[in-house]
Amino acid sequence: DTAVSQTPKYLVTQMGNDKSIKCEQNLGHDTMYWYKQDSKKFLKIMFSYNNKELIINETVPNRFSPKSPDKAHLNLHINSLELGDSAVYFCASSLTDTTEAFFGQGTRLTVV
Amino acid sequence: QQPVQSPQAVILREGEDAVINCSSSKALYSVHWYRQKHGEAPVFLMILLKGGEQKGHEKISASFNEKKQQSSLYLTASQLSYSGTYFCGTARGGAQKLVFGQGTRLTINP
Repeated sequence: DTAVSQTPKYLVTQMGNDKSIKCEQNLGHDTMYWYKQDSKKFLKIMFSYNNKELIINETVPNRFSPKSPDKAHLNLHINSLELGDSAVYFCASSLTDTTEAFFGQGTRLTVV
Repeated sequence: QQPVQSPQAVILREGEDAVINCSSSKALYSVHWYRQKHGEAPVFLMILLKGGEQKGHEKISASFNEKKQQSSLYLTASQLSYSGTYFCGTARGGAQKLVFGQGTRLTINP
């Protein structure tokens, strides 16, 4: 079983569309994250969720919204997509922020 | 607060050693090391929590200085499989926020 799974793996969409990326972890972890990795490979933290409560909301546009229906899931919804949103988005989970983080395989989002 | 890594890129021949540094102007609560191969997700290497701590994993080891402002990752007798981008991260315990440095690209040539 995959520990952290993301769907879809690839997403190509037009500017202005709304899309969602799903993330599920089966590790029983309390903390989940969303990261954006741009073309320069920088891993930027976007959101952090702990037991379904948003802990950190980094300075990302409010077009991005995390949604957590339960502790095992943290989905990322993006409204009005822009060209600059093109990147690889990684979901991750950990027991706490001082233990190993497990990453999903990533979702490559391309906005055209 | 985002840690700073150096160098940004390293090119080595197989069998050579490498050192990657991770530093901050303020004390780091913890240091995490990850490796990411091209087209893949980052993979955990190790975590250091205490000043003065050293950890090893086969030929890859790391240290955390006493003031907890710098960590170094040591790769000894590098193998082709060590190629990738190395990230250090830091998290303030309880804040549930793991922040990464800008990464160091390591290329190992035969």
